[in-house]
Amino acid sequence: QLVLTQSPSASASLGASVKLTCTLSSGHSNNVIAWHQQQPEKGPRYLMKVSSDGGQSKGVGIPDRFSASSSGAERYLTISSLQSDDEADYYCQTWGTGFPVFGGGTKLTVL
Amino acid sequence: EVQLVETGGGLVKPGGSLRLSCAASGFSFTNTWMSWVRQAPGKGLEWVGRVKSNNDGGTTDYQIHVKGRFTISRDDSKNMVFLEMKSLRTEDTAVYYCTTETPPYYDFRSGNYFGAIDYWGQGILVTVSS
Repeated sequence: QLVLTQSPSASASLGASVKLTCTLSSGHSNNVIAWHQQQPEKGPRYLMKVSSDGGQSKGVGIPDRFSASSSGAERYLTISSLQSDDEADYYCQTWGTGFPVFGGGTKLTVL
Repeated sequence: EVQLVETGGGLVKPGGSLRLSCAASGFSFTNTWMSWVRQAPGKGLEWVGRVKSNNDGGTTDYQIHVKGRFTISRDDSKNMVFLEMKSLRTEDTAVYYCTTETPPYYDFRSGNYFGAIDYWGQGILVTVSS
């Protein structure tokens, strides 16, 4: 069964960098995934997609501070030079049997 | 600029019905797959269903928990998509997001298909409660 696993929470200081992880379940370690950001009280926003070889494609207007990478079954979202409005929930998403599947999300707190 | 604006949410009793609308602008609506994704209070995101572009047959797909109760349709002349919900249950309580969806493509590196949710509306709350 396809499952995306994310840590429930993460924190980092203003101006620092943080790396969020999304782990693909066994048998799906090569899947492409997408990252979405949901700021408080807002609808989510597509950030970028990342493939198993680390190739990435960003959405329109996504700053260079956001980047993605891969290692095995893990997909990463790195945010550098953290700003206060980066405080949000971050969801990874892949493709299941005909439909999108989401991870449980990571709540990022900017200290 | 892509805009997706949902309307029609509110409070409904269990067993009742509700129709959500989504007005789309800023992109080629006719050629775009449209989906609905929901988020129960304090929970994560869950894909509800889609309507494909008419070029791709205009067919619909639904997740298992809503199949037979929810119906998605589109009106390309008005750039609108609709979510008709019947036999509503308390567990359908959620914020419902109108989204665009990239049709899946075959990714040779993974040997799997991939499609993504591209753009999201601001969401509309549906509360099912007596």
